[in-house]
Amino acid sequence: GENVEQHPSTLSVQEGDSAVIKCTYSDSASNYFPWYKQELGKRPQLIIDIRSNVGEKKDQRIAVTLNKTAKHFSLHITETQPEDSAVYFCAALMDSNYQLIWGAGTKLIIKP
Amino acid sequence: EAQVTQNPRYLITVTGKKLTVTCSQNMNHEYMSWYRQDPGLGLRQIYYSMNVEVTDKGDVPEGYKVSRKEKRNFPLILESPSPNQTSLYFCASSLSGMGSQPQHFGDGTRLSIL
Repeated sequence: GENVEQHPSTLSVQEGDSAVIKCTYSDSASNYFPWYKQELGKRPQLIIDIRSNVGEKKDQRIAVTLNKTAKHFSLHITETQPEDSAVYFCAALMDSNYQLIWGAGTKLIIKP
Repeated sequence: EAQVTQNPRYLITVTGKKLTVTCSQNMNHEYMSWYRQDPGLGLRQIYYSMNVEVTDKGDVPEGYKVSRKEKRNFPLILESPSPNQTSLYFCASSLSGMGSQPQHFGDGTRLSIL
């Protein structure tokens, strides 16, 4: 079946540095790609999303890039802060049946 | 306040005893979904619904049932729970019936099946 691969599973960066998380999807017809942040013990919350008609989207320190040809998209967090520590999930919406396929998550650790 | 409400938040029960986890949203959303979350496996979709009376299987539907008789409610039913269904469950809803809008999650239900 369709799947989304997410790397790395754990990422540790120094406070103030940038963090990049990458996802690869298998369904070439996917057209919606959200990113969610889940803090410990809390519900996942959307932080940014991108649709297939654009290649990049930014919101302050967060950006997402999409390469439809290569079927991968990435989350970029600049000037990382302690509150960025969380698990981040990527997902891709299958155009055939509107099922949202999720990556396995990346645990981001911000070192002081 | 716009929200997705799940009940119960915590439940410990025994194998074979039927249970229902309720989910209700007050945002008039068309798309609703159930996930389970297990360590190292991320979020796995159990069932989803694009509108009233329309439900589809996700990645891990075995052992679960759902219904969507009203737009606001999407209960998850475990007819004969087993220990491998011990997990953290999330309900979510989205404005678009095609799922192409942000999903709003409930606070989660932690189920333990002994």
